[in-house]
Amino acid sequence: GQQVMQIPQYQHVQEGEDFTTYCNSSTTLSNIQWYKQRPGGHPVFLIQLVKSGEVKKQKRLTFQFGEAKKNSSLHITATQTTDVGTYFCAGPSYSGGGADGLTFGKGTHLIIQP
Amino acid sequence: DGGITQSPKYLFRKEGQNVTLSCEQNLNHDAMYWYRQDPGQGLRLIYYSQIVNDFQKGDIAEGYSVSREKKESFPLTVTSAQKNPTAFYLCASSRGGTVRGYTFGSGTRLTVV
Repeated sequence: GQQVMQIPQYQHVQEGEDFTTYCNSSTTLSNIQWYKQRPGGHPVFLIQLVKSGEVKKQKRLTFQFGEAKKNSSLHITATQTTDVGTYFCAGPSYSGGGADGLTFGKGTHLIIQP
Repeated sequence: DGGITQSPKYLFRKEGQNVTLSCEQNLNHDAMYWYRQDPGQGLRLIYYSQIVNDFQKGDIAEGYSVSREKKESFPLTVTSAQKNPTAFYLCASSRGGTVRGYTFGSGTRLTVV
């Protein structure tokens, strides 16, 4: 079945440093979504990318979708303590006629040292 | 405000017991999902439902059952057949299946004692 892989699993940064997490799918994706989960919380939808090569920005966050629509990245500029959490990418999984649901990567845990 | 409500927040189960986790949404979403999260793991799909009175197995459905009698409700039963039920269970809903972002509930943390 479809696999979605994320690296790194953990990332320690000093506050103010940049952070990047990478996502790779074993299959071509119709779209890719990113979620953030704060410690002890639940995942919160951040953004969806649909087009090949698409780049979207949300303040200090930059999301990219690869040309082949099999990989994506999330880059955070000048991290702040509020960025702490686990970042997940997710893509639709299919069997038979339609989408079954989202397949999630294992996430990248961002730890920020003040 | 619209959202998804999961209850209870914490649940303790004795071995051999069935327990039911509640998930209610007032977002008027057609699709609803149950995911399981284990420490250090991503989210794994248990069951999903695209429409009332219809649901499909996900990747790890063994030992679980669901019903979808109302659009707003998608309860999950963890049966005694589930060998390792201790986990964090997340319910989600979506307006347009996988082409829209999911809205998640705050989760139920189930522990077998």
